[in-house]
Amino acid sequence: GEEVAQTPKHLVRGEGQKAKLYCAPIKGHSYVFWYQQVLKNEFKFLISFQNENVFDETGMPKERFSAKCLPNSPCSLEIQATKLEDSAVYFCASSPRGADNQPQHFGDGTRLSIL
Amino acid sequence: GENVEQHPSTLSVQEGDSAVIKCTYSDSASNYFPWYKQELGKRPQLIIDIRSNVGEKKDQRIAVTLNKTAKHFSLHITETQPEDSAVYFCAASMSVGGTSYGKLTFGQGTILTVHP
Repeated sequence: GEEVAQTPKHLVRGEGQKAKLYCAPIKGHSYVFWYQQVLKNEFKFLISFQNENVFDETGMPKERFSAKCLPNSPCSLEIQATKLEDSAVYFCASSPRGADNQPQHFGDGTRLSIL
Repeated sequence: GENVEQHPSTLSVQEGDSAVIKCTYSDSASNYFPWYKQELGKRPQLIIDIRSNVGEKKDQRIAVTLNKTAKHFSLHITETQPEDSAVYFCAASMSVGGTSYGKLTFGQGTILTVHP
């Protein structure tokens, strides 16, 4: 598609439950990025992929967060044993591979609410 | 790692005035600086970007300037309109392997309000 598609738009979970978010990058884009935007508007980088390979995972809280990008499937971000502080909007972005170093295009985000 | 500071945190202007938002970055290896506009509840949308081999770029009412020596870059919006009201984010990134840019490090955001 021509836009980054994220599902669901809103996800509500009780503390301690699992949450799984999905992202379909723009067709032809090789790079996928996940960001967390908390209520103060600040963005935090989580992880990026080059196709199905982890490219940069320096922002991932590894104890409870995991992510995958498998061939012919949407990318996913999974949070185990959710905590109240995980409440945020999670944005996915994609960019193409190329000499022009094209910018990142963002999806509409998934609002995760932990109760 | 990279750190991006953005000022001011809020900016209120009258319609038709200019607005300027400033950012500084810490890592001299950063070479790509996009600006995003985010309306309430919406996705960040790229409005302009600049690469480190360019000092200034303009697109209609929007311009960005970059001072590599001082490690700061600024967004200039002229003839502001009420629909320019939004949160604006600067960001910094660096090329990886010559084929893509890596993660974006964002500034804290500026809430711009344009009064009619």
